[in-house]
Amino acid sequence: AQSVTQLDSQVPVFEEAPVELRCNYSSSVSVYLFWYVQYPNQGLQLLLKYLSGSTLVKGINGFEAEFNKSQTSFHLRKPSVHISDTAEYFCAVRENTGGFKTIFGAGTRLFVKA
Amino acid sequence: DAGVIQSPRHEVTEMGQEVTLRCKPISGHDYLFWYRQTMMRGLELLIYFNNNVPIDDSGMPEDRFSAKMPNASFSTLKIQPSEPRDSAVYFCASSFVGGVRTGELFFGEGSRLTVL
Repeated sequence: AQSVTQLDSQVPVFEEAPVELRCNYSSSVSVYLFWYVQYPNQGLQLLLKYLSGSTLVKGINGFEAEFNKSQTSFHLRKPSVHISDTAEYFCAVRENTGGFKTIFGAGTRLFVKA
Repeated sequence: DAGVIQSPRHEVTEMGQEVTLRCKPISGHDYLFWYRQTMMRGLELLIYFNNNVPIDDSGMPEDRFSAKMPNASFSTLKIQPSEPRDSAVYFCASSFVGGVRTGELFFGEGSRLTVL
């Protein structure tokens, strides 16, 4: 069975600074990987996804993530954050076996300070 | 396009009462998921359907929980009887398989349940 570990529960960062949110996964088969964002009192929205091909994936709002198969990681990065990026970020994994079960990490709270 | 619609947005009830949460997926989507979000356990998959058929209900906590999808445009999650530990935000999400959008889940805004 697949699992996801988000290594940081909270990440405080100053506005315009770079940020990296870490995600590691475990699976015995190939996987699809996702990052979602949740703003207060809202549902989750897809930021970006890795299905196949280039390991560097670009998403909305200037975010990008890199799939590293050898390290089983899918870290999320942004070179310069804004106050509006303050939210909860979830890494998710789905095994590429024909099923559709998507498992989420515990989430990382990104807090951008002025 | 209308997104995933959940109701009620907020529900406060007393222990022992029956709770029914409702979800209308995005038209044309053939997968529907129910997730529960709590501070302690994060986002847990409860059950998901494909073409109205339950595919995996291994995340349903216990027999007090049941989910149905009588047609492609409606699903319910029922808790009977409810307990304080069921307090959480329940999310419904829908999706479809095909093209570059494979795997993306579209979430509703959630139903916040408080059981006193």
